Amino acid sequence: QKEVEQNSGPLSVPEGAIASLNCTYSDRGSQSFFWYRQYSGKSPELIMSIYSNGDKEDGRFTAQLNKASQYVSLLIRDSQPSDSATYLCAVNKNNNNDMRFGAGTRLTVKP
Amino acid sequence: DAGVTQSPTHLIKTRGQHVTLRCSPISGHKSVSWYQQVLGQGPQFIFQYYEKEERGRGNFPDRFSARQFPNYSSELNVNALLLGDSALYLCASDDRNIQYFGAGTRLSVL
Repeated sequence: QKEVEQNSGPLSVPEGAIASLNCTYSDRGSQSFFWYRQYSGKSPELIMSIYSNGDKEDGRFTAQLNKASQYVSLLIRDSQPSDSATYLCAVNKNNNNDMRFGAGTRLTVKP
Repeated sequence: DAGVTQSPTHLIKTRGQHVTLRCSPISGHKSVSWYQQVLGQGPQFIFQYYEKEERGRGNFPDRFSARQFPNYSSELNVNALLLGDSALYLCASDDRNIQYFGAGTRLSVL
């Protein structure tokens, strides 16, 4: 079992729709959870961090965490073509910056 | 403020050679982590350094080594390069458990 699992996609949504990205992790003791966006050929950039169960909203982005189910999700509302990228889920196992990344989900937003 | 800077941006080596990659963290950040990202995969953790001490090591062979200098910059060294070492090597500096990535060094091993 991979430590962090994501559907590789591609996930395609029309412009203006909600994109839903999912991630599961194996280490129940994980403390911190992150979503990064990576454009092709570029480095990952942080979108959201979440540490507690529930929802966290930042603009068009909402991160959801359910530690009991070991599940993290990212919702992107009013998706734009500029949101087309690979989204990486990352889990910090022991709060010591030992980050484990999923393989990423490729999102395409069609105009 | 400058972000995380990495050099060089691109590098081409042949099998068996060694390579040194460099990273300067964001000013004020004392922790640096190195990752390898193979095409189509997420970044894989290689090393983390904090205050010049190794704090973590991923599942990479001993051909990979790193160090951190008094000014918190860091080097990643890879010896006896293999074709499979071709990847994007990312450096990240840390602030309160959040990692900020540099643009990376793309290494091609021929």
